[in-house]
Amino acid sequence: NAGVTQTPKFQVLKTGQSMTLQCAQDMNHNSMYWYRQDPGMGLRLIYYSASEGTTDKGEVPNGYNVSRLNKREFSLRLESAAPSQTSVYFCATAARQGIGQPQHFGDGTRLSIL
Amino acid sequence: GIQVEQSPPDLILQEGANSTLRCNFSDSVNNLQWFHQNPWGQLINLFYIPSGTKQNGRLSATTVATERYSLLYISSSQTTDSGVYFCAVNTGGFKTIFGAGTRLFVKA
Repeated sequence: NAGVTQTPKFQVLKTGQSMTLQCAQDMNHNSMYWYRQDPGMGLRLIYYSASEGTTDKGEVPNGYNVSRLNKREFSLRLESAAPSQTSVYFCATAARQGIGQPQHFGDGTRLSIL
Repeated sequence: GIQVEQSPPDLILQEGANSTLRCNFSDSVNNLQWFHQNPWGQLINLFYIPSGTKQNGRLSATTVATERYSLLYISSSQTTDSGVYFCAVNTGGFKTIFGAGTRLFVKA
């Protein structure tokens, strides 16, 4: 029972390179989220998908794009990576958006941009 | 927007000691979660607690929504309790706001 699976777990990029982070869930949850966590800080929401076919910006969307490929998968793309995007990226799911639904997290992708 | 403040920022305990972590929030919330981020970076759900009190083993949490705070109690702490504890609140819709966390180190 995998829950929320993120790939890759680690990645090093050069400035300007592109990269797609993958997230897949087997919990049949409707909502999916991408967060970033910078050293010594809490998580900040990048983008979310309330349900299959919809995506919306979160708190820090600049420099990112997302695709909700189907109910199970939600990917995050960096088109032209910048050192400021060095962070740990977490994918999360919830059974429903918003009220009353706890979020469940993947193990994270540690991304370094040189 | 809503502000979420956690205290203390850092905490060092001797194994077996008890502790209380606090989360204050500046506006009404629809739900509140406590997470533990272990030393390997994994985020583990501890409690979903928009109001009231819940207990799970040595951990318990209380949220007083009318006074805009939540408390996480850790009793008889163990070295495996080390890590960062986050409070996260939801104000409706998609927006979940995390506090900066309390970093706990439990000494053997």
